[in-house]
Amino acid sequence: TQLLEQSPQFLSIQEGENLTVYCNSSSVFSSLQWYRQEPGEGPVLLVTVVTGGEVKKLKRLTFQFGDARKDSSLHITAAQPGDTGLYLCAGVGGNTGKLIFGQGTTLQVKP
Amino acid sequence: EAQVTQNPRYLITVTGKKLTVTCSQNMNHEYMSWYRQDPGLGLRQIYYSMNVEVTDKGDVPEGYKVSRKEKRNFPLILESPSPNQTSLYFCASSPDSGPYSNQPQHFGDGTRLSIL
Repeated sequence: TQLLEQSPQFLSIQEGENLTVYCNSSSVFSSLQWYRQEPGEGPVLLVTVVTGGEVKKLKRLTFQFGDARKDSSLHITAAQPGDTGLYLCAGVGGNTGKLIFGQGTTLQVKP
Repeated sequence: EAQVTQNPRYLITVTGKKLTVTCSQNMNHEYMSWYRQDPGLGLRQIYYSMNVEVTDKGDVPEGYKVSRKEKRNFPLILESPSPNQTSLYFCASSPDSGPYSNQPQHFGDGTRLSIL
């Protein structure tokens, strides 16, 4: 069974700080998605990375897919209170083709 | 507006009383699925459907049923709910029904079920 481990599970920081969330597996994924979920709502797709080593930027958010396609990271620069939420990574299994979610990282950015 | 609509949003009920959570999407998506979200466990897939009349078990199907009689609707049925099914449930749809698809999942806003 393919697993995705996210770390940290909880993160509380001050506005303006930088942070990185990690998504790791021992298995290869054919692609990886990052979602953000706010209270009372469903997850919303932020980005999909497909190629090993790929880097995508979305304003202050930088997403990277590992060279071996087994891990990914989300880096937020100068976090804002509006970044508060649950961040989920989800990988499409290289063997199964199924979408597997990590446990999520709850981010709180204090003003 | 493109959306996935779930009803009800909140439900408190008792053990053994059959319930149905409806899910409807207006994007003509082929693939639909149900997830449950529990603290520390992330999203776990219950059932999925690749097209009308085609459904299959996900990772945690025990105690649940689904049907896909029309493309837009994918109801989740709990025939005899038990307290361990207390959770936050999400319906999702995606344009592509095949494996290895990197198409985004479009989620509803969730249904919080409490089984007493």
